[in-house]
Amino acid sequence: DTGVSQNPRHKITKRGQNVTFRCDPISEHNRLYWYRQTLGQGPEFLTYFQNEAQLEKSRLLSDRFSAERPKGSFSTLEIQRTEQGDSAMYLCASSRRGGLSRGKVFFGSGTQLSVL
Amino acid sequence: ELKVEQNPLFLSMQEGKNYTIYCNYSTTSDRLYWYRQDPGKSLESLFVLLSNGAVKQEGRLMASLDTKARLSTLHITAAVHDLSATYFCAVDLDFGNEKLTFGTGTRLTIIP
Repeated sequence: DTGVSQNPRHKITKRGQNVTFRCDPISEHNRLYWYRQTLGQGPEFLTYFQNEAQLEKSRLLSDRFSAERPKGSFSTLEIQRTEQGDSAMYLCASSRRGGLSRGKVFFGSGTQLSVL
Repeated sequence: ELKVEQNPLFLSMQEGKNYTIYCNYSTTSDRLYWYRQDPGKSLESLFVLLSNGAVKQEGRLMASLDTKARLSTLHITAAVHDLSATYFCAVDLDFGNEKLTFGTGTRLTIIP
């Protein structure tokens, strides 16, 4: 168990470019979440998956954002036509419904996105 | 809309002192989470409180939950410098689905 892994750690891009982030959850965790955190604020929920099904998307998630979790393992978050307002830390988290770790949600180290 | 409020937002305290961080939330929930975040780092899970009256302790930190008052507290006993960090509480927005709404955080600085 190596924890929730996110890549890349940092991403600098020019406005209008597309970016993709990857998250590898803790093995056997069936739930995966994406959050966004801006400086001085708490994380904000974006979307989550149970296995491969995307169960909910926040209103914060514009049409430029898309997330996938093929085969219920790793997940990707893509942002198309990035804007400066997209600059933030993107955090991935995972949990396992039921079992001894009931209720615990584990976060990855995040991907810091800077849009120039 | 669920709101989660923490106070204070900033706290500077001397080593050895005790203090409490408060977390209020606006709708019914019986799941409350506390996390710690160091600058530039991710969130470290501290406590998960799953029922009214739940109390958990780890070292110098103790968390409690009063679901009737919609209030959780994080109590720090005899603070040490290593506890300097930002502390977040979070509420499960969708019962049992662990979809969290976070407070704005309390930035704690322990002064030697």
